[in-house]
Amino acid sequence: IAGITQAPTSQILAAGRRMTLRCTQDMRHNAMYWYRQDLGLGLRLIHYSNTAGTTGKGEVPDGYSVSRANTDDFPLTLASAVPSQTSVYFCASSLSGRVETEKQFFGPGTRLTVL
Amino acid sequence: GQNIDQPTEMTATEGAIVQINCTYQTSGFNGLFWYQQHAGEAPTFLSYNVLDGLEEKGRFSSFLSRSKGYSYLLLKELQMKDSASYLCAVVDSNYQLIWGAGTKLIIKP
Repeated sequence: IAGITQAPTSQILAAGRRMTLRCTQDMRHNAMYWYRQDLGLGLRLIHYSNTAGTTGKGEVPDGYSVSRANTDDFPLTLASAVPSQTSVYFCASSLSGRVETEKQFFGPGTRLTVL
Repeated sequence: GQNIDQPTEMTATEGAIVQINCTYQTSGFNGLFWYQQHAGEAPTFLSYNVLDGLEEKGRFSSFLSRSKGYSYLLLKELQMKDSASYLCAVVDSNYQLIWGAGTKLIIKP
């Protein structure tokens, strides 16, 4: 693989179910991010990780959790999905997490529908 | 509150020039990014500005005025493949990246 991959590509989920969105990068980037993108709104940061073993909360963390056991993987878990979590989810990475200077590389996204 | 304003949609003609504006009101400023996002795809990096002035990169240029809280992306010699959304994002004083909702650019032959 080259870059960032996400799985699944799309998913329809019943409300109340647990779901994990997967994200893997092979660029050896230290920093990784999860965003959601909703129509008419800018990308909103859910959680981030500046290095393996550490995570932080973004703008909209409620209802989501993440882990960073190694450099390559950064899964996002919805413990009990609700319809307001219907969105397109993007995983991204950057070299060291210096947001003010580094461009971010994005995965292809996961389109999630919660019914 | 923090705010990034961009026009929702613009239309331009193939071969022409278009300017996409971005104004921001944020708690401080530590840099501004432009990304391109084709429909159904991931955003990809276009340009970065931190000092006032113009940054040129091929057919694309980006301008920044920090005193006016204003940036624009200039696309020259438009091609059909430039049909996409263009996202403006500002790094605030807390080193948070604040994203605009994006401008959908439609190119007509």
